[in-house]
Amino acid sequence: AQSVAQPEDQVNVAEGNPLTVKCTYSVSGNPYLFWYVQYPNRGLQFLLKYITGDNLVKGSYGFEAEFNKSQTSFHLKKPSALVSDSALYFCAVRVHSGTYKYIFGTGTRLKVLA
Amino acid sequence: DTEVTQTPKHLVMGMTNKKSLKCEQHMGHRAMYWYKQKAKKPPELMFVYSYEKLSINESVPSRFSPECPNSSLLNLHLHALQPEDSALYLCASSQESGGAYETQYFGPGTRLLVL
Repeated sequence: AQSVAQPEDQVNVAEGNPLTVKCTYSVSGNPYLFWYVQYPNRGLQFLLKYITGDNLVKGSYGFEAEFNKSQTSFHLKKPSALVSDSALYFCAVRVHSGTYKYIFGTGTRLKVLA
Repeated sequence: DTEVTQTPKHLVMGMTNKKSLKCEQHMGHRAMYWYKQKAKKPPELMFVYSYEKLSINESVPSRFSPECPNSSLLNLHLHALQPEDSALYLCASSQESGGAYETQYFGPGTRLLVL
């Protein structure tokens, strides 16, 4: 079965420190991977995606993600966390099941402490 | 412009009411989606419209009835809902639903409470 896993329900990091939010995937064929962020009572905002090519993908708000095929991972990173980065982060993989659709991970709550 | 708008922002309805949620995008996207999201959970896909035709219905109860009047608009008609249907309803759009790596753009959602 095709799936996405976010092993951490919550990640705490001090402001100014680097942050990592983990995502692993299990898909048949080429993975098309996405990261979204959701602030309280808001919709999901697109951060970045991996399609092919360079394993390091740069996205919005200073975020980047590293695709690792051997470890089937797509971890989200930022060199220096801001308090305003505190939100719920979802990893998703786009799969084909009749038509293309997302499978979302369970989400990771990031808390950046001042 | 990557904006998807949804109205209303909040909706409270009784179990015998009929109401509608509206979604609009002007990005020229030809695929539109309805998702349901419970608190602290990932969004669950409900419906997909592609070129104004329903292409996916994820076994959603008939008390939810989607409608796509034109390529920019998507409605979700609600009737005889249950309290467990209370959730954040998200609309999204993408250029087409058939692309493997298309990005979906989400609206802010409608927070629905069923009493």
